[in-house]
Amino acid sequence: SQQGEEDPQALSIQEGENATMNCSYKTSINNLQWYRQNSGRGLVHLILIRSNEREKHSGRLRVTLDTSKKSSSLLITASRAADTASYFCATVSSDFGNEKLTFGTGTRLTIIP
Amino acid sequence: NAGVTQTPKFQVLKTGQSMTLQCAQDMNHEYMSWYRQDPGMGLRLIHYSVGAGITDQGEVPNGYNVSRSTTEDFPLRLLSAAPSQTSVYFCASHRIPRTGVNTEAFFGQGTRLTVV
Repeated sequence: SQQGEEDPQALSIQEGENATMNCSYKTSINNLQWYRQNSGRGLVHLILIRSNEREKHSGRLRVTLDTSKKSSSLLITASRAADTASYFCATVSSDFGNEKLTFGTGTRLTIIP
Repeated sequence: NAGVTQTPKFQVLKTGQSMTLQCAQDMNHEYMSWYRQDPGMGLRLIHYSVGAGITDQGEVPNGYNVSRSTTEDFPLRLLSAAPSQTSVYFCASHRIPRTGVNTEAFFGQGTRLTVV
């Protein structure tokens, strides 16, 4: 089964509003990452948060990590039409020799102009 | 710096045919992996490698083979294509955390495979 599960599966908001997506995972991690995928394209890395960090910012993105609850959230502020895409969380295992990158099922975000 | 190069972009196979999807990276990344993406399923890990000569199975390895003879290349072989292997395939590479560096993954543009 997949390591990460995103919630919600789909989200539609008006342009200018904030979008929040959540991710839960199952095992110990070294870090958690968020990726964006535009339709028909490869994934693009957005932000990485290490297991010893609780919050990280990058431009309009804010990521939080709660290792006790095995969960993370991605907040996109002041959304734009160009933010329409699928967003995936991914975890890197902390197991030595088993540092595979495992993805969740994704959140499909639609920004309504 | 080309990043991750994946070929071909599109492929149609007949059931039972074999083929190899190519993946190459020029960033000296230790870790390379293959995923398949199906509607509503996210990305599922097929096989991965943490270095030349080392490969391991992911979540959905059946029907696929890989090898890692060099750091740069990680081909994925479909032994006998089946309609269930119709999917979009992505190759990715990244550093591994034991080296103490960022593990941001870089992706190829994908291969859209149809098996008829």
